[in-house]
Amino acid sequence: ELKVEQNPLFLSMQEGKNYTIYCNYSTTSDRLYWYRQDPGKSLESLFVLLSNGAVKQEGRLMASLDTKARLSTLHITAAVHDLSATYFCAVKSSGDKLTFGTGTRLAVRP
Amino acid sequence: SAVISQKPSRDICQRGTSLTIQCQVDSQVTMMFWYRQQPGQSLTLIATANQGSEATYESGFVIDKFPISRPNLTFSTLTVSNMSPEDSSIYLCSVVSGYSGNTIYFGEGSWLTVV
Repeated sequence: ELKVEQNPLFLSMQEGKNYTIYCNYSTTSDRLYWYRQDPGKSLESLFVLLSNGAVKQEGRLMASLDTKARLSTLHITAAVHDLSATYFCAVKSSGDKLTFGTGTRLAVRP
Repeated sequence: SAVISQKPSRDICQRGTSLTIQCQVDSQVTMMFWYRQQPGQSLTLIATANQGSEATYESGFVIDKFPISRPNLTFSTLTVSNMSPEDSSIYLCSVVSGYSGNTIYFGEGSWLTVV
């Protein structure tokens, strides 16, 4: 059974600082997703990572994938308040089903 | 990208009643899924909605409680039957789309509160 662990569960960051969210998964997969969820909203797709060593960047967020270590990271550079949200990683299993991590609630404070 | 519309967006339901959630996609998609997000929790897959055949349910979810229909490639419904307060959740429809089928999109969600 595929298990996805995400840490930290909660992250309070100061504006301007850098930090990394980690996503570990237990079995081989060829696709990993990162989503953002704002309070009271649905999921917004951030990144799709397809292969070992894949790196994608959008603004202050950068995601990477190491399939051998079964690890993905979401790096936040110079955080701003607008990045405050909950971030989920999700790993694809058979039939395009997703198993989600626990989520990381990010709060960026002045 | 795929545009996914869900109805209702929110509802307050009485214990013991049933509610049907609709999911409409603006293009034909092969794969449609239903997820549940309980308050403060992550998302859990309920079932895969198969066009022209019965849905495939994940462990812990059964057809009697969550009947699903998928009459065509753009539409699906999820019914939450005989609701209890534990069914208070966000229910999200999801589809696989994109040129290479790599992107998975989510609808806006249906926020159900059972009282």
